[in-house]
Amino acid sequence: EVQLLQSGPEVKKPGESLKISCKISGYPFEDYGIVWVRQLPGKGLEWMAIIYPADSDIRYGPSFRGQVTVSDDKSLSTAYLQWSSLKASDSGTYYCARDDTSAFDVWGQGTVVTVSS
Amino acid sequence: QSALTQPPSASGSPGQSVTISCTGSGDDVGGYTSVSWYQQHPGKAPKLLIYEVTKRPSGVPDRFSGSKSGNTATLTVSGLQAEDEADYYCSSYAGSDFFELFGGGTRLTVL
Repeated sequence: EVQLLQSGPEVKKPGESLKISCKISGYPFEDYGIVWVRQLPGKGLEWMAIIYPADSDIRYGPSFRGQVTVSDDKSLSTAYLQWSSLKASDSGTYYCARDDTSAFDVWGQGTVVTVSS
Repeated sequence: QSALTQPPSASGSPGQSVTISCTGSGDDVGGYTSVSWYQQHPGKAPKLLIYEVTKRPSGVPDRFSGSKSGNTATLTVSGLQAEDEADYYCSSYAGSDFFELFGGGTRLTVL
């Protein structure tokens, strides 16, 4: 069974750093891209970035370029999303999903990030 | 490039059909066949309903169908059921600069 298992909820202060994870199982990690999607409280979905594990090519959406960093560890079949300095406006739910040619066919359960002083 | 435009709400009675539109431009919806639709119940992760404009993943009921005309894609839900009450999002590939755009979402209410 294909599964994307995300790390647990996080509570952080403004200015702190954070790295959340998305562990893939059930298929070869390098066969599909992994996207990250943000959902702010009560709002819609926003495409943030994609990483292609086969060659580690990474693309960012214009609103997220320079704000977050995406990476992977092929030995762990895991993709990561990280912030170097969180803001309160980063509070929300972050999903990873498998990209099958622009169709996100399997999703993680979401990681809730709360940034508050 | 802005998010794709969806109506904020839609509604219908059980058994009826409802359509949800998703309007973009020639640089996204109109320019590519990579249009998808997702269903999201409260507190849950989104679920893929439709991909490549009209295709349904295995396990998605054929009550859900997709189409496209010009810069507007449409999701049709036929034979509405109570469990169809959810938020629906469209998405489209938007080229190598923007990559992927989502619509703002439509809340479907089953009356």
